[in-house]
Amino acid sequence: AQSVTQLGSHVSVSEGALVLLRCNYSSSVPPYLFWYVQYPNQGLQLLLKYTSAATLVKGINGFEAEFKKSETSFHLTKPSAHMSDAAEYFCAVSDQTGGGNKLTFGTGTQLKVEL
Amino acid sequence: GAGVSQSPRYKVAKRGQDVALRCDPISGHVSLFWYQQALGQGPEFLTYFQNEAQLDKSGLPSDRFFAERPEGSVSTLKIQRTQQEDSTVYLCASSFEGSPYNEQFFGPGTRLTVL
Repeated sequence: AQSVTQLGSHVSVSEGALVLLRCNYSSSVPPYLFWYVQYPNQGLQLLLKYTSAATLVKGINGFEAEFKKSETSFHLTKPSAHMSDAAEYFCAVSDQTGGGNKLTFGTGTQLKVEL
Repeated sequence: GAGVSQSPRYKVAKRGQDVALRCDPISGHVSLFWYQQALGQGPEFLTYFQNEAQLDKSGLPSDRFFAERPEGSVSTLKIQRTQQEDSTVYLCASSFEGSPYNEQFFGPGTRLTVL
């Protein structure tokens, strides 16, 4: 079965600083990887996804992620943090065991942006 | 609206009561998923439908949990004889088709509290 690990349950950055949220995956097949963001009392929203077309994936709100097979990583970055980026971020892998395409999520990283 | 909707948003039940949680997916979406999300954790898969067929129910925690999607659109997650450990947020998601690279669109969730 596929799985993801998110290192760091809480990350704090200053406004304007680089954002780096880490995700490592485990998969026996070429993975499909996703980053979702969750604002308080809202549903999860897709930031970006990796589907093997390109290793550097650009998403919404200035976020991007790079798929590195050698490191089994799919870290999320943003060059300059904004206060509105404060939220919880989830990395997920598409898990095709059992006949479906369910998502297996990491435990999440809470991003705090400080002035 | 065009998004996934869930009702009720909040549900309080006495232990032993039966509850029914509703999910309205995006019109035309073939795949529908139920997840549960504990506080501070990522969503965990419960069950998956493709049209009206329940293809994977491996994540349902006990036989008190039952899901249906009789006409291939609206879905209901039913929990019989609720227990305190059932208290969590239940998320519904839908996607256009069953491919592993398709984005899943999430609803806002139903927060269930069992007293």
